[in-house]
Amino acid sequence: SYVLTQPPSLSVAPGETATITCGGNNIGDEAVHWYQQRPGQAPVVVVYLDSARPSGIPERFSGSNSGNTATLTISRVEAGDEADYYCQVWDTNSDHRVFGGGTKLTVL
Amino acid sequence: QVRLVQSGAEVKKPGASVKVSCKASGYTFIDSYIHWVRQAPGQGLEWMGVINPSGGSTRYIKKFQGRISMTRDTSANTVYVDLNSLRPEDTAVYYCARDDGSSSPLEYWGQGTLVTVSS
Repeated sequence: SYVLTQPPSLSVAPGETATITCGGNNIGDEAVHWYQQRPGQAPVVVVYLDSARPSGIPERFSGSNSGNTATLTISRVEAGDEADYYCQVWDTNSDHRVFGGGTKLTVL
Repeated sequence: QVRLVQSGAEVKKPGASVKVSCKASGYTFIDSYIHWVRQAPGQGLEWMGVINPSGGSTRYIKKFQGRISMTRDTSANTVYVDLNSLRPEDTAVYYCARDDGSSSPLEYWGQGTLVTVSS
C-alpha cells in the first residue's frame, strides 16, 4: 500500500516559516490534501489539491507538490498554528485514502 | 450547512461489538460518500473505509476486513460503522467524514466518538 512519510515534529519561533514535508513515491502525480488538527478537535482542511486554500484559511498557508515530496508551508507562524498536521492522498491502486503519520508543530 | 453528528461515547469489553452512527444534514445524503477514520490516543489518523450512501457499496482496508461493517439508512440520513471482536487496541476516537469525489479532501467531519475497550 502507498506510504506517506512525515517528520514527527517541528519547532518554529513565532514569525518564522514552518515547512512540513510529506514524502511518497511519485507523490507529485497525486493530489495531496493537508489537515490541521488541534487537540480534542476534528481535522480541518488547510490546503487541498496540492495548493488550493479553502475559504477562511489564511494566505499564510500554502502548498506545493513535486517529485517525491509534497510540502505545506506556513509563513509568519503564530501561536495559534500550534497543532498536528497530516497529509493525505487517494491511492488509486487500492482505491483507499491514505494519511501520513502526522507532524506536531510546536511554536516556541 | 453541512453537519455530521455522531453518537456518544461507548465503553466495551474485549470481544464485544460496537456500532457508531453518523447522522448527516444540510445536503443530499446520497450524493456524497462517507468515510470512517479513527485515531488511537496520541496517535495519527487511520482511514478505515468508505460507504456510498446511494447504493450501499463499501470498501475497507485489509486490517479490518472480517471485523467491520459499514451500513446506511437512507430514510434517516445516517451511516453506521460496526466493529466486532473488539480488542484494547481498538480504543480510539472514531470520526465520520464526507468527501465530494475521489480526489477531493475530507471536507466535513463529525465531532468524533470515543470508543474505549477495556476489561
